[in-house]
Amino acid sequence: KAGVTQTPRYLIKTRGQQVTLSCSPISGHRSVSWYQQTPGQGLQFLFEYFSETQRNKGNFPGRFSGRQFSNSRSEMNVSTLELGDSALYLCASSSNSPSTDTQYFGPGTRLTVL
Amino acid sequence: AQSVTQLGSHVSVSEGALVLLRCNYSSSVPPYLFWYVQYPNQGLQLLLKYTTGATLVKGINGFEAEFKKSETSFHLTKPSAHMSDAAEYFCAVSDESKGGKLIFGQGTELSVKP
Repeated sequence: KAGVTQTPRYLIKTRGQQVTLSCSPISGHRSVSWYQQTPGQGLQFLFEYFSETQRNKGNFPGRFSGRQFSNSRSEMNVSTLELGDSALYLCASSSNSPSTDTQYFGPGTRLTVL
Repeated sequence: AQSVTQLGSHVSVSEGALVLLRCNYSSSVPPYLFWYVQYPNQGLQLLLKYTTGATLVKGINGFEAEFKKSETSFHLTKPSAHMSDAAEYFCAVSDESKGGKLIFGQGTELSVKP
């Protein structure tokens, strides 16, 4: 079974631009979660989608948004990029509940904001 | 609110020596606990998880962890370190009250000396 895939793997943007990251979950998984990883703040939860609905949201500004499609693929968007948005963005999928079902992580998208 | 503390941001052991990575959690409800490993430029890989039942949990690559409720700990051990174990390790707790998002510790970087 194919794992979680994320595209692109690397991205360089400038301040003020916007960016869209994509995540394809493991086949059959309906829950997709996004995390931001930085050296200073560590791993922080962004949001979780299940059956095209945002089920849970972390403490990030409204510039961070996401969506999920009917095939469970998910995208996250960051508008008006700031230098502090430079991070590794990780996507994780699970069957139904991220609390009880194992979350499988993708390799991440490394975003650099100049 | 739930939280995770990993004692020691960096641990160094010799090849063949015992690996002990410490994790303490705070939770008002019975926790689900996880250990993940991250190799450079990769996503997170699940080593093991505790949900309910047996408190000694065996994972992949010879790792195991013991859930000790009285000590609110979930330390990760491996009897004999291998060079390939060098990576960053994250302990996490699932926050049931927040839809099951993972709350991660700050991570422990494990170095293995030949």
